[in-house]
Order: sequence, then structure tokens, then C-alpha cells
Amino acid sequence: DIQMTQAPSSVSASVGDRVTITCRASQGISTWLAWYQQKPGKAPKLLIYAASSLQSGVPSRFSGSGSGTDFTLTISSLQPEDFATYYCQQANTFPLSFGGGTKVEIK
Amino acid sequence: EVQLLESGGGLVQPGGSLRLSCAASGFVFSSYAMSWVRQAPGKGLEWVSAINGRGGSTYYADSVKGRFTISRDNSKNTLYLQLNSLRAEDTAVYYCAKEYSSSSHYGMDVWGQGTTVTVS
Repeated sequence: DIQMTQAPSSVSASVGDRVTITCRASQGISTWLAWYQQKPGKAPKLLIYAASSLQSGVPSRFSGSGSGTDFTLTISSLQPEDFATYYCQQANTFPLSFGGGTKVEIK
Repeated sequence: EVQLLESGGGLVQPGGSLRLSCAASGFVFSSYAMSWVRQAPGKGLEWVSAINGRGGSTYYADSVKGRFTISRDNSKNTLYLQLNSLRAEDTAVYYCAKEYSSSSHYGMDVWGQGTTVTVS
């Protein structure tokens, strides 16, 4: 089974900051990686699919990169509505698996 | 509008059973793989199970294999998850989610609001 490891587990940042979250797969997954945003009490929302493709309606300040085992989600200029928890998910092989999450908090 | 609506959650004793349902609308249900994902209180997301569009292929997390069964009725646009031999560690919010495409390679682009299962 493929294990997904996210870092950091939490980050404190200010509005306007650039935030980078990393996700590492325990084995190569090509570009079969998705990123989600989840706010408290709400369902997750798909941000990025296929490692770098922006889901329709998602602001362009979100971007994804990587392939193989190492991936990155970047928020170029953090906005108040971006404070949330972010998860990566490998979509290469069953069983599918999520990273442990990164909570982006207000500094 | 594309929508998923889960139901069937509740309080059940250890060893008991529940059947969750997920009613889909606004898209061609049979064309998409579907998944169940759960989230224990205060914890992260855990993928539980998936099924392809026609229902002929099913997949499970090791933690639920042999206890949970995923199925779908494309004539009713409904996804199901039968939960048997429930344990305290199955307590979670259960989400149904639509895969972005007919495969499960692109992530899940539509999610329900979740239904809560409490095993106690």
C-alpha cells in the first residue's frame, strides 16, 4: 500500500504570505495526485488534480507541482478564506490514500 | 446542479450493522466511479471503498475489507455502503464522493455533506 506523508502538519501564516505544503508518496505515483481543502464542519473540496491541473472555479493563486514521489501545493498569496486544512491524495493505485493533512492557521 | 445526499447514519452498538445510502443527481451517475471516505472525530480523511461506474469492480481499505460492502443501483442513481461487524473505531462522518472521471485517477470532485456513524 502507498503511504502519503505531508509536511508540515501545521503552518502559521499571514494574509498575503506565500505558503508551500509538501506531500511525499512511499512509492512512485506518476502524476496521479490530488489536493483538497477542508474547512471545519464541511466536506473536502477538490483544488488540484493530476498533480498540477487546477479544478474549475479554484483561484489561480493555488498551484500544484511534482511527479513520482514528491509533490507541492503552493498558495501564492494567502487570503482570509484560505485558512483551512489541506490534504493530498494518491490516485495511482488502490487502496487510495490521503496524507495526514496540513492545517493553515492565522499568524 | 450536481449533488450527492447521504443518509442512513446513526448510533449502533459494537457488532451491529448499518446501510448508508448516497442519492446522486445532476450528472450521468453510471458514467462515474464513486467512493466512500470517512473522517473520525478530530482526525484526517480515510478512503474506505470505491466502485466503478458499472458496479463490476469494487475496492476496499484493509481496515474494512470483509466487513463493509459497496454497491450501486444505477437505475436509482444511488450508491450504498453496507457496514457490518461495526467497531468503535468505525465511528466517523462518512462522505460519498464522485470521482472526477470514469476512473479513479483524478481525485473526487463532488462530495456529499456526510452522514455520521457512531458505534457505542
